Amino acid sequence: DAKTTQPTSMDCAEGRAANLPCNHSTISGNEYVYWYRQIHSQGPQYIIHGLKNNETNEMASLIITEDRKSSTLILPHATLRDTAVYYCIVRVGTNAGKSTFGDGTTLTVKP
Amino acid sequence: SAVISQKPSRDICQRGTSLTIQCQVDSQVTMMFWYRQQPGQSLTLIATANQGSEATYESGFVIDKFPISRPNLTFSTLTVSNMSPEDSSIYLCSVEEGGRRGETQYFGPGTRLLVL
Repeated sequence: DAKTTQPTSMDCAEGRAANLPCNHSTISGNEYVYWYRQIHSQGPQYIIHGLKNNETNEMASLIITEDRKSSTLILPHATLRDTAVYYCIVRVGTNAGKSTFGDGTTLTVKP
Repeated sequence: SAVISQKPSRDICQRGTSLTIQCQVDSQVTMMFWYRQQPGQSLTLIATANQGSEATYESGFVIDKFPISRPNLTFSTLTVSNMSPEDSSIYLCSVEEGGRRGETQYFGPGTRLLVL
């Protein structure tokens, strides 16, 4: 898995968009960018993933730069329930079960 | 997406004893994965469990301490043996699910273990 760098913590106002950055300058051409989150002491939850195109689903949007060296996870209208640790993982599309989790970003959504 | 359940959800155990954690998936999967999350830390992979073969352990984890069973394609157990307070962690079961755009990983709710 390529190394990723995320800020340790971020705050966001409720109802505003939360933009979580991730740097992955050593990403290989066949590696995807995956995002997971872990709400306090629960199991991690898959959010979204992409290879090079921007992706959107019911939870979030993923913006990947053209050179693929960084990406941003966007929660369009953050709620208090989005307070969690967000993990950015870069890896190939196989052997998903053996992901390497870093320290992630602790997002705190404030009223 | 796969739905995973774990039992027990939490337990408090005495040092020197053993605890077996169960993981049930709602679909047949080839591999199941066990992770540990120590307090304030990120997730660490313990081992990979294939049905019909012995589990494969990551560096720093051994079968005598964390024996794993995988009797069928929907179930696995992890035993934490001869426990000490350092084993206090959240233990997580995980599976991978294939897709056209790469595999995705799903986790169970975790088992919170406190060893006194």
